[in-house]
Amino acid sequence: AQKITQTQPGMFVQEKEAVTLDCTYDTSDPSYGLFWYKQPSSGEMIFLIYQGSYDQQNATEGRYSLNFQKARKSANLVISASQLGDSAMYFCAMREVNTGFQKLVFGTGTRLLVSP
Amino acid sequence: EAGVAQSPRYKIIEKRQSVAFWCNPISGHATLYWYQQILGQGPKLLIQFQNNGVVDDSQLPKDRFSAERLKGVDSTLKIQPAKLEDSAVYLCASSLDMNRAEQYFGPGTRLTVT
Repeated sequence: AQKITQTQPGMFVQEKEAVTLDCTYDTSDPSYGLFWYKQPSSGEMIFLIYQGSYDQQNATEGRYSLNFQKARKSANLVISASQLGDSAMYFCAMREVNTGFQKLVFGTGTRLLVSP
Repeated sequence: EAGVAQSPRYKIIEKRQSVAFWCNPISGHATLYWYQQILGQGPKLLIQFQNNGVVDDSQLPKDRFSAERLKGVDSTLKIQPAKLEDSAVYLCASSLDMNRAEQYFGPGTRLTVT
């Protein structure tokens, strides 16, 4: 079963607008973490934001925020005030604490294009 | 602070040849990961080390792939013999330890098998 699902292969947004990238997950482990990574064309994976399953508040890091809806098993990434440099692939990932040796399992990614 | 280093950045080989990739993690990071990222997919964990011990190699094709981290620092990943389907980007990542949320990734090695 797919543990991480990203249903948007590509998204387009205009500069300075906000965009939401969708991510749903599946796990029976009550303790888990959710991550978003950015992968520009250079290939390096850049950590953006982390949400723990027991965190009461949604995580925020600068222009990035994670809309965590535990009951719906969704962890959408919101990028506010998009910039041209935000154009990249974005991956959602999950780490199960009690199973799977805490390895990261990634989704298939969403390609974001920011236009001027 | 220096990031995760990988070499080579690009490699082209013919099928049935062998190839090796090298990774130097961030200084002091006990946990090291090798991922395979096939075009159009997310990275898939191949092997995870804690210091010089293997924690998880359940998705490593052991008939052709091998990896080692002898002194608990640098690591090498080898493929022998390579197949066409091994064409991918091989990413190395490290973290302070297994319980840390954040993994730091290197630039990757793009392998093309012809």
